[in-house]
Amino acid sequence: RKEVEQDPGPFNVPEGATVAFNCTYSNSASQSFFWYRQDCRKEPKLLMSVYSSGNEDGRFTAQLNRASQYISLLIRDSKLSDSATYLCVVKGFYSGAGSYQLTFGKGTKLSVIP
Amino acid sequence: ETGVTQTPRHLVMGMTNKKSLKCEQHLGHNAMYWYKQSAKKPLELMFVYSLEERVENNSVPSRFSPECPNSSHLFLHLHTLQPEDSALYLCASSQDWSSTITYEQYFGPGTRLTVT
Repeated sequence: RKEVEQDPGPFNVPEGATVAFNCTYSNSASQSFFWYRQDCRKEPKLLMSVYSSGNEDGRFTAQLNRASQYISLLIRDSKLSDSATYLCVVKGFYSGAGSYQLTFGKGTKLSVIP
Repeated sequence: ETGVTQTPRHLVMGMTNKKSLKCEQHLGHNAMYWYKQSAKKPLELMFVYSLEERVENNSVPSRFSPECPNSSHLFLHLHTLQPEDSALYLCASSQDWSSTITYEQYFGPGTRLTVT
């Protein structure tokens, strides 16, 4: 099972649409969760952290479900500028390695169409 | 100059060459990282340095050798690479590396490496 799994997409949505991405993680010892955004041929940038109680930042809402080991990102009122790849990132302790690891998903590509 | 910079931006090298990638951060951070991003694979964390000491090494082949002479600079020395090592190598920095707190990663633009 992949450590952090995301639907690769692409998700093609019209402007103004609401779109949701899910991400599942396999390590039950995961402690911190994030969404990063990576524009085409650019470096990743932090979009938002994901808190246990869920959190919102403008049009973006992140949720965490520890029992089912998944996190989600909801984008409302999509803009053309939201077109990017969204990376799910999980930090946790891996007993095999005996260390903390930052693990990235492959990303979900979003294209917002005029 | 601000943020995280990387040089060179593009590099083509033969399998017998030795080259180095350079990363510099101007953010006053204590932790620096090397990542590898290959097509259709997730971003892979290679090395973590905190206060110039290597704290994580994720089973990376010895043909990749990191060096952190101070908290602002990070190098990745490359020798006898394989074609499958062709990828985008991203450097990042964060305020600190901690087991209990995860700090935002600030990425550089990356070096696009092609091994021929």
